[in-house]
This record gives sequence, structure tokens and C-alpha cells, in this order.
Amino acid sequence: RKEVEQDPGPFNVPEGATVAFNCTYSNSASQSFFWYRQDCRKEPKLLMSVYSSGNEDGRFTAQLNRASQYISLLIRDSKLSDSATYLCVVENAGNMLTFGGGTRLMVKP
Amino acid sequence: GAGVSQSPSNKVTEKGKDVELRCDPISGHTALYWYRQSLGQGLEFLIYFQGNSAPDKSGLPSDRFSAERTGGSVSTLTIQRTQQEDSAVYLCASSLGQRNEKLFFGSGTQLSVL
Repeated sequence: RKEVEQDPGPFNVPEGATVAFNCTYSNSASQSFFWYRQDCRKEPKLLMSVYSSGNEDGRFTAQLNRASQYISLLIRDSKLSDSATYLCVVENAGNMLTFGGGTRLMVKP
Repeated sequence: GAGVSQSPSNKVTEKGKDVELRCDPISGHTALYWYRQSLGQGLEFLIYFQGNSAPDKSGLPSDRFSAERTGGSVSTLTIQRTQQEDSAVYLCASSLGQRNEKLFFGSGTQLSVL
């Protein structure tokens, strides 16, 4: 089993739709969690950190479920510019950061 | 510099040759990471430096791969006797090295082994 697993997609959604991605992790001792966004042929960039209490940034909401060992990302009112690959990242002891394989989102007009 | 700088941006080499990839992290960042990304795939962890030390070398795919970091700054990833399966984008990232810190990525080196 991979340490961090994501559905590769693609998720094809119309503009304005709400879409959600999950990411599961295997190490129960994992300490911090993040979502990164990667555009085609570009480097990944931090989208948001994921806090235990959940957090929201505009149209984006991230949640952590430690009991079931998954994190989620919800995007409301999807825009064409949201089309990208979303990478789940888990931080373990010693600042070790492990990336999931990414979920590809395509928002259609 | 203002961001993480990687060179070269593109490298085409022949099978069996050695290559060196360079990463210049953001000034003051103590943590430096190397990842590899094949087309359409996720990021594969290679190695992590805290200062000049590499606490975890477990991601290096074979003994043909090595990396060093000097002066707590520039890092070099060396691939000896390159093989076609080494073709990928090699990404470097740096951070302040504290827990829950944001990673800043360079734009990568596209390596093509013919």
C-alpha cells in the first residue's frame, strides 16, 4: 500500500460545480497535511495547509479526519482556472514530506 | 535569490553518461528536498537535506544516484551511467526546515536520456 493515495481522476466538472477530492495516508503518526496545486508542466505550489479543525480559504475547504486517516479538499463554484492537478502531501517525523500521486481536475465551460 | 533556482532547465544526454543537476535554494532555507516526476505521475521522493546532512537517503533509486549539499546552500544531484528510465523532471524544493513549513519548488530540470 502506498503511503499517500489519491484517485488520479480526471474529474471532469462544469463551471460552477462543487467537487471534492479525498486522500488517504497510512502512517497514523503523520503530523501535518497540505494540499498543493500543480499546473501542467509547472512546479507544485502550496494551495493550503490542512488543520485538525478544518480550514477554509475562499472557495476552498480542507478537512482532516485522523480517525479514518484521510484528508479532503472541497472546491465550490469551480472556475476554469481551477483546472490543475491537486497533490496531497503528508509530513512525518523529521520534516519528511510525502506526496500523493495527484488528482487531476478539469473544469469545462 | 528570490526563489529556488535549478540548472540546467533541460538536459539531453546519451545512455551511459554522467549528469549533474544543480539546485540553489532560497537563502536561509535549511531544508532541501529532491523529487523526481515522470510524465503524468506524482512526485517520487529522492533525498532530503537538513543543513549539509542527509538524514534520509532511502528514496535514491540505485547506487548510480548520489547527492551532496555544501555550505548549507547549493545541492548537486549526480546520476552516473544514466539509463533511459532516468528520464524525468527532477524537482528541488526548499523550506525553513521547521514543522508545517511551506515548500518552495524550483522549476525543475527536464532530463532526457537517449
